[in-house]
Amino acid sequence: ELKVEQNPLFLSMQEGKNYTIYCNYSTTSDRLYWYRQDPGKSLESLFVLLSNGAVKQEGRLMASLDTKARLSTLHITAAVHDLSATYFCAVSYSGGGADGLTFGKGTHLIIQP
Amino acid sequence: GAVVSQHPSRVICKSGTSVKIECRSLDFQATTMFWYRQFPKQSLMLMATSNEGSKATYEQGVEKDKFLINHASLTLSTLTVTSAHPEDSSFYICSASLAGGQYEQYFGPGTRLTVT
Repeated sequence: ELKVEQNPLFLSMQEGKNYTIYCNYSTTSDRLYWYRQDPGKSLESLFVLLSNGAVKQEGRLMASLDTKARLSTLHITAAVHDLSATYFCAVSYSGGGADGLTFGKGTHLIIQP
Repeated sequence: GAVVSQHPSRVICKSGTSVKIECRSLDFQATTMFWYRQFPKQSLMLMATSNEGSKATYEQGVEKDKFLINHASLTLSTLTVTSAHPEDSSFYICSASLAGGQYEQYFGPGTRLTVT
């Protein structure tokens, strides 16, 4: 059974600070997804990481993937209030194309002024 | 591009009744659609995989007779919650994979179901 673990599950931080969310998964997969969810809303796709060593950046967010360690990180640089949301990582079942995703429990991020 | 819609966005129904939720890919063909359920303050759980023209594949613990899935065309999948009970109240989200595509999934806006 594929398991995905995120930590921390809750994070309160101040604007301007840096922090990292970690995502570990239990079986081989080379497709790792990061999503953002605002309260009452659906998912917004942030990153899709397809191969070992992949690094993607968008604004203050940067995601990386280490398939050997089965670890992905989402790094937040100089956080701003607008980044407050719940962040999920997800892994496809078999690393294949049209596979359902297994999600981590999510990291509830609050950024305070 | 790659927009997925769901209808309705919110529905309230009485216990024992059935409710249908539609998931449409608006500007692309989706050979595969997925249905997820999210309880308050929890993560998303995959319920079933829906392939156009064939029977859906349900995850362990999901009752196929209770959650009927039909994927009649490359742009439409429906989830019918039959004989709904209060414990079925949840946020139902569908996603779709692009036909011929390999990895991206496009999520719909979700349907909030409340069973009274």
